[in-house]
Amino acid sequence: SQQGEEDPQALSIQEGENATMNCSYKTSINNLQWYRQNSGRGLVHLILIRSNEREKHSGRLRVTLDTSKKSSSLLITASRAADTASYFCATVPGGGSPRIQGAQKLVFGQGTRLTINP
Amino acid sequence: DTEVTQTPKHLVMGMTNKKSLKCEQHMGHRAMYWYKQKAKKPPELMFVYSYEKLSINESVPSRFSPECPNSSLLNLHLHALQPEDSALYLCASRLTGSSYNEQFFGPGTRLTVL
Repeated sequence: SQQGEEDPQALSIQEGENATMNCSYKTSINNLQWYRQNSGRGLVHLILIRSNEREKHSGRLRVTLDTSKKSSSLLITASRAADTASYFCATVPGGGSPRIQGAQKLVFGQGTRLTINP
Repeated sequence: DTEVTQTPKHLVMGMTNKKSLKCEQHMGHRAMYWYKQKAKKPPELMFVYSYEKLSINESVPSRFSPECPNSSLLNLHLHALQPEDSALYLCASRLTGSSYNEQFFGPGTRLTVL
C-alpha cells in the first residue's frame, strides 16, 4: 500500500524560481528518500534523509524531515528546464521482522509533476 | 559499471503469450526488486530478492513469476497476462549490508498486453 501523500500533485513555475514539494507519511520510518522520474523512464535517486536528521542539502536541493508531523519537503532552488520531471518521496518503513527490514522495501508517495517553463 | 539494464525496452504481447523481462546489474548489489508502474501513478512493489532468495512477494498474481538465477540477473516471466497488466515494469537494485541506502533503477520495460 502507498502510505505517502504528496502535494501539490502538479506544479508549474518559471525557470529560475524555487520549487517546493511536500510529502506526508503515516507510519514510523527508517529513512525517507526523494527520487526524480523523467517521463516514462526509470527513477533517479536524489537525496536520502535519515529519521534522526532534520535537514539535508545536496547542490540545489534541500530536504527537511519532521518526524513529529510525519512530513518532509523538497526544495529545488533556481529551477531549470531540465528539472521538469515527476518527483516522488519514498519511505523505508520501520519495524517489521529482520527479514523484512533487510529487504528494505520502498513505499512511494503519489508524486508531484513539476513543469519548469522557460 | 554503475547502471541497471533492462531488456526489452518495449514489449507487446497477446494474452496467451509467454514472455520474459530481464534485468541485469554488475554493481555487486545483492537485493533486487521488481516494480509495476501505471501511468501517472507511483511505482508499486511486486517482488524483492535478497541474496538470490525471494524475500517479499506483494501478493502478485501467479501469472507473474520472478526468477533470480544469480546475483547479477533478475527475470520476470509473464504468462497469460491481462490487458490491465499493461504498464512500465521497473527493476531496481540495492547494496545490502547497510541500513540506509538508495535503490538504483533501470529504465524500465514498457509492456502492452493486447
